[in-house]
Amino acid sequence: QKEVEQNSGPLSVPEGAIASLNCTYSDRGSQSFFWYRQYSGKSPELIMSIYSNGDKEDGRFTAQLNKASQYVSLLIRDSQPSDSATYLCAVNQAGTALIFGKGTTLSVSS
Amino acid sequence: GAVVSQHPSRVICKSGTSVKIECRSLDFQATTMFWYRQFPKQSLMLMATSNEGSKATYEQGVEKDKFLINHASLTLSTLTVTSAHPEDSSFYICSALGGIFSYEQYFGPGTRLTVT
Repeated sequence: QKEVEQNSGPLSVPEGAIASLNCTYSDRGSQSFFWYRQYSGKSPELIMSIYSNGDKEDGRFTAQLNKASQYVSLLIRDSQPSDSATYLCAVNQAGTALIFGKGTTLSVSS
Repeated sequence: GAVVSQHPSRVICKSGTSVKIECRSLDFQATTMFWYRQFPKQSLMLMATSNEGSKATYEQGVEKDKFLINHASLTLSTLTVTSAHPEDSSFYICSALGGIFSYEQYFGPGTRLTVT
């Protein structure tokens, strides 16, 4: 059974702080790793994708991947109230469906 | 960028009726599309994988005779919920694979189904 685990939260951070979201996965054959943001009642929106070990930065977002530990994280710098949402970690292999974690709810207070 | 549309965005139907949901890739050809279902406060659960020109592959526990999937063209997959019941009320989301060896999927905006 391929699984993706996330802490459901809620994770509460003040505006301007760094939010740290974590995810572990069970399938060592996973090749690609994604972070999606989902607002209530909306479809998931891709924020970051990462395919190799290390860090990948895009604006205020940094994804970190450690395949040996089967661990993926997302850092959000300078958190804004508009970042308040559920963040979904997902993994897959080429051509296959995404396997999603249950999501972490982030709340950024102003 | 790759755009996926879904229609309708919301639908309310009576128990026992059937509902068809369309998923279209607007600016690319998608040989593979996926159908997910999301219940309140839960994550997306894969229902089935839809391949153009062949039968869909259903996940364990998903009734293939109840959730009919047709992927007749490279830009259109349809999900028909037959004899819908209140427990089928959910958020149905499709995604399309960018290419046969692609990792990235592009999600539609979702369809909110309410069965009364």
